[in-house]
Amino acid sequence: DIQVTQSPSSLSASVGDRVTITCRASQSINKFLNWYQQKPGKAPKLLISAASSLQSGVPLRFSGSGSGTEFTLTIGSLQPEDFATYYCQQSYTTWTFGQGTKVDIK
Amino acid sequence: QVRLQESGPGLVKPSQTLSLACTVSGDSVNSGSYYWNWIRQSAGTGLEWIGRIYTSGFTNYNPSLKGRVTISLDTSKNQFSLKLNSVNATDTAVYFCARSPGVEGLDVWGQGTTVTVSS
Repeated sequence: DIQVTQSPSSLSASVGDRVTITCRASQSINKFLNWYQQKPGKAPKLLISAASSLQSGVPLRFSGSGSGTEFTLTIGSLQPEDFATYYCQQSYTTWTFGQGTKVDIK
Repeated sequence: QVRLQESGPGLVKPSQTLSLACTVSGDSVNSGSYYWNWIRQSAGTGLEWIGRIYTSGFTNYNPSLKGRVTISLDTSKNQFSLKLNSVNATDTAVYFCARSPGVEGLDVWGQGTTVTVSS
């Protein structure tokens, strides 16, 4: 299986901060990388597909980049509703998820 | 608006079969445009993709589940189902159903249902 490793596993940030989360794949996955946001007790929500394609309705402060083995999710200016856990997921072979990055309030 | 809703027993005994259904509204499992997926989430293993089915009946499963999984379609009920055999405590999780256009991620999810494996 292809492993995807997120860093950091958690971070504390303030409203207005720029936040970057990294996802590294154990081998090249081209751009087959998706990002999700999950809030407690809810299902994950797809934010970005194919490394950089923003889903309809997702605020423009979210962006994704990368290809091959290294990818980033950036939140340009953190808003109160963005405090959540974020997951990357590779869809190159048997789908696997990262372990998650919890973003909480500093 | 597309909605998915999981249903099934919340408690399953060890060695028995876990059976869940996902009812789709606002779309057709027969439409030929999407794959229909099962995913689970536990504190121990995080998010784990279980498998998916296409309109044709074509399936992909996660090899880590070692042949214990079957996903099927019931077009008359606009549902798809999950069966997981020989369960044990490590199969305790929140089970989600979800739709995917292909490799572009899981774009619509059910709310999830908690399944506990215990005697």
